[in-house]
Amino acid sequence: AQTVTQSQPEMSVQEAETVTLSCTYDTSENNYYLFWYKQPPSRQMILVIRQEAYKQQNATENRFSVNFQKAAKSFSLKISDSQLGDTAMYFCAFMKRGGSNYKLTFGKGTLLTVNP
Amino acid sequence: ETGVTQTPRHLVMGMTNKKSLKCEQHLGHNAMYWYKQSAKKPLELMFVYNFKEQTENNSVPSRFSPECPNSSHLFLHLHTLQPEDSALYLCASSQVGSGEYQETQYFGPGTRLLVL
Repeated sequence: AQTVTQSQPEMSVQEAETVTLSCTYDTSENNYYLFWYKQPPSRQMILVIRQEAYKQQNATENRFSVNFQKAAKSFSLKISDSQLGDTAMYFCAFMKRGGSNYKLTFGKGTLLTVNP
Repeated sequence: ETGVTQTPRHLVMGMTNKKSLKCEQHLGHNAMYWYKQSAKKPLELMFVYNFKEQTENNSVPSRFSPECPNSSHLFLHLHTLQPEDSALYLCASSQVGSGEYQETQYFGPGTRLLVL
């Protein structure tokens, strides 16, 4: 079974600064996806960024980028130029690729607060 | 956000009531999911429907009964729930193919359920 660990229950950052959220996972699989989702106070779960494990290049989406270290099973999210709208719960998630199981395994989340 | 919609957004019910949650996806996807999000716990996958066939039942009590009449609609029928079933219920959809191809899950806004 896969597990996802987010060791930072809460973090805060000043507007316009950079923050990094940590995520580690445990799996025996070699082919999988990793995701970061954000859940603002509205409770809508929104995809932030996705990484395919077979790709060595780190994924980027505008101000969001990841540091994917496959050997270390680490998948951190960097948010640059933080904005007030980035305040949300951030979830790291794992999905095995292949077969008929499309299960997303989530971490417990990190509550990020962006301060003005 | 209109890709995945859920109704109602809020629901209060007694333990003897019968109610249903509805999810509709407008993304042309062929797989749909129910997740439960409780306070202080990671999101838990409840059910997976792939091409309208249930492919995953994650040890969910029988008081939760899913129904997927077509690839765009998903229901969760609730009957004789317990107070510990109070949670945010999230629906998601994705496009999955044959072989090893899998795609990102997109979430609805959720239904906040309170069982009295």
